[in-house]
Amino acid sequence: AQRVTQPEKLLSVFKGAPVELKCNYSYSGSPELFWYVQYSRQRLQLLLRHISRESIKGFTADLNKGETSFHLKKPFAQEEDSAMYYCALISGGYQKVTFGIGTKLQVIP
Amino acid sequence: DAGVIQSPRHEVTEMGQEVTLRCKPISGHDYLFWYRQTMMRGLELLIYFNNNVPIDDSGMPEDRFSAKMPNASFSTLKIQPSEPRDSAVYFCASRRQGRAGELFFGEGSRLTVL
Repeated sequence: AQRVTQPEKLLSVFKGAPVELKCNYSYSGSPELFWYVQYSRQRLQLLLRHISRESIKGFTADLNKGETSFHLKKPFAQEEDSAMYYCALISGGYQKVTFGIGTKLQVIP
Repeated sequence: DAGVIQSPRHEVTEMGQEVTLRCKPISGHDYLFWYRQTMMRGLELLIYFNNNVPIDDSGMPEDRFSAKMPNASFSTLKIQPSEPRDSAVYFCASRRQGRAGELFFGEGSRLTVL
């Protein structure tokens, strides 16, 4: 069965410090992974997807199949990055979307 | 486009009462998902539909929970009878065929069962 693990419920960093939000997955097939973000009082929304290898709002994420990880990184945190971040995995023929428990990122001014 | 529309936004009810949550997906989207969000468990997938047909309901916690999608523009999630442990935010999301992972979420329905 597929599983997404986000080991940290809360991550606090100072403004300007590097950020790494961890995500590990368990899936026997070929994984498709995504990061979603939920800012305060806003809808949960897609941040980025591994397949496009893009950088959004300074965030990047690399799929590491050997370590079954898809960590989200940003070199310099900004206060507006404070939000809830969810890692998600697509699996199965009907492309079920499974989320991790989420990590709350708090950027301290 | 107003996006995915959920109602009610907030619901406070007493234990034992029936609760019905509603969702209108984005027009043209083939998939509809119901999730429950809690502090302890994060976002749990309850059930999802493809072309109005339930595909996987293994996440529905108990027989007290049921979901329907009578047409492409409407879905309901019903809890009967409700219990205090059902208190959570319930999200509906939809997506288009071929756009796996690109879910569009509603604003959520915050349920409090006293």
